[in-house]
Amino acid sequence: GAGVSQSPRYKVAKRGQDVALRCDPISGHVSLFWYQQALGQGPEFLTYFQNEAQLDKSGLPSDRFFAERPEGSVSTLKIQRTQQEDSAVYLCASSHATNTGELFFGEGSRLTVL
Amino acid sequence: KNEVEQSPQNLTAQEGEFITINCSYSVGISALHWLQQHPGGGIVSLFMLSSGKKKHGRLIATINIQEKHSSLHITASHPRDSAVYICAGPMEYGNKLVFGAGTILRVKS
Repeated sequence: GAGVSQSPRYKVAKRGQDVALRCDPISGHVSLFWYQQALGQGPEFLTYFQNEAQLDKSGLPSDRFFAERPEGSVSTLKIQRTQQEDSAVYLCASSHATNTGELFFGEGSRLTVL
Repeated sequence: KNEVEQSPQNLTAQEGEFITINCSYSVGISALHWLQQHPGGGIVSLFMLSSGKKKHGRLIATINIQEKHSSLHITASHPRDSAVYICAGPMEYGNKLVFGAGTILRVKS
């Protein structure tokens, strides 16, 4: 596609429900990042993939959060047993480079946990 | 303490005014990103710069690596410039970014 695509754009979940958020990066982009943005805050790093390898997951807030990118393209961020504090916008970004380079962001997936 | 600090947090300007948003960071970085985020929308990368100055249309970004400071300028501001402007610096490896809290800009006509 022309840009980074995320789905769903909006998700409302009941507390305790599992959710899955999808990111389609720009074709051929090696690097893929997930960020979490709480209301009124700047985004915060969650995890980083280089192709299919998850090189850094230090930002995942708990073991309820899991991300994968099995074929080095599409990535899924899964949140198990959602809690209210998980409510945020989840942003995906991709880059052609493995080091510095221009980042392309998706529109984000806004998760609201009731 | 956030390693990337922006000022001001909120900025209201009249259409046509020259606008400056500042970004200071406390850790060594090799490059800095300026990003734009519209309400309900995703983030658009405006600039990535590691030295000097870059210009794109009415937007100008400058950086002083030694002083760990960057500025984003908007000339002849317009209401469509209203958005949140965020600066971010890569930590460790290239694009693991640390973000500032953002500057909420509102340009009134």
